Amino acid sequence: EADIYQTPRYLVIGTGKKITLECSQTMGHDKMYWYQQDPGMELHLIHYSYGVNSTEKGDLSSESTVSRIRTEHFPLTLESARPSHTSQYLCASSDPWGQGANYGYTFGSGTRLTVV
Amino acid sequence: KQEVTQIPAALSVPEGENLVLNCSFTDSAIYNLQWFRQDPGKGLTSLLLIQSSQREQTSGRLNASLDKSSGRSTLYIAASQPGDSATYLCAVSYSGGGADGLTFGKGTHLIIQP
Repeated sequence: EADIYQTPRYLVIGTGKKITLECSQTMGHDKMYWYQQDPGMELHLIHYSYGVNSTEKGDLSSESTVSRIRTEHFPLTLESARPSHTSQYLCASSDPWGQGANYGYTFGSGTRLTVV
Repeated sequence: KQEVTQIPAALSVPEGENLVLNCSFTDSAIYNLQWFRQDPGKGLTSLLLIQSSQREQTSGRLNASLDKSSGRSTLYIAASQPGDSATYLCAVSYSGGGADGLTFGKGTHLIIQP
């Protein structure tokens, strides 16, 4: 079944560590996104990609970086984690012109990151 | 800059009631509007998507309407059940390419009392 997968689900890490949050989709979508959501707050777009080798910054400034070497894979990296990076990170993909179950935006289950 | 507002912020009703969640957006030049459900600590589950040319969409006990000219959408939930308890998010998209992603409201936190 087509879906979007994020790992890990939960991550507790020390300040200064480098981390990579994984996101993979089998939806066949070209466009992928990373959103950040603080508890009780709305989601904010931090990165997006139109396809392979395309990466763009979103509305909310973020110290993270992304890469898109393969269509199905869109990892997010923090070179040096800080407590201010503690948040939930949600990955999504979209096919606004698609049909059926793959239409619109599909989200992963999220990674809840805590930096201590 | 587009803003999406959801009213009420929280709602608690007894099981079996019909209820309406409201969403408004400041710029009517949307491509589509999507309603999601988010359970605590989880990702988003898509409920309904309405294209800008459509007036409503239905799925089971859910019905979403869109009035693009007034910048409003409603999500109607019929015969509510305790399993409907979650946060409901409204989001709008401005381009078919999804270049700018979705702009979200803060959500309506819904509790259905057994």
